[in-house]
Amino acid sequence: DAGVIQSPRHEVTEMGQEVTLRCKPISGHDYLFWYRQTMMRGLELLIYFNNNVPIDDSGMPEDRFSAKMPNASFSTLKIQPSEPRDSAVYFCASSLAGSTGELFFGEGSRLTVL
Amino acid sequence: GENVEQHPSTLSVQEGDSAVIKCTYSDSASNYFPWYKQELGKRPQLIIDIRSNVGEKKDQRIAVTLNKTAKHFSLHITETQPEDSAVYFCAASINAGNMLTFGGGTRLMVKP
Repeated sequence: DAGVIQSPRHEVTEMGQEVTLRCKPISGHDYLFWYRQTMMRGLELLIYFNNNVPIDDSGMPEDRFSAKMPNASFSTLKIQPSEPRDSAVYFCASSLAGSTGELFFGEGSRLTVL
Repeated sequence: GENVEQHPSTLSVQEGDSAVIKCTYSDSASNYFPWYKQELGKRPQLIIDIRSNVGEKKDQRIAVTLNKTAKHFSLHITETQPEDSAVYFCAASINAGNMLTFGGGTRLMVKP
């Protein structure tokens, strides 16, 4: 398996624009997580899914953020409209319930909002 | 919800010395405690984990200890090497594979 695949790797956009980040989890994994990493706040859990169903979205900062998982192999995190304070690295991760418990991270999407 | 505190935030050691990073957690129901290493510009990767039914686990130069009564756990790295330089994150969850709450991270610098 190629691991968790995220796109784009880098995104530079202007304030007010819509941003869509994409994630393909490891095949067969039933949990998918979206994390945001900044120097100030570390690794923050935004939302996670189990079997494509959102379980906990209490970490989503505000209504500008939304996430979907239409099927087991694809998820999106959307920010609309984007703001400079959204600049961060966004990681997607997946895991398999009942396994070792290891969380497998993608390489991250570095977002810069000007 | 769970809250994980990690100390120190930065740690500088000489090559060959030991390094210790400590974490505390708040939810007594947590029973899975992994440690992740993140090299500069890379993704976090699991290096070792421990479950609540054991007090210590070792893998070559790294070891983790857990004190459930006090709700704290620690990472120990012996004979540090320059390639150990990275940010280390502790985490806690109720079940392996479920939602992880991460500590704030420790930037470890190993000076040659």
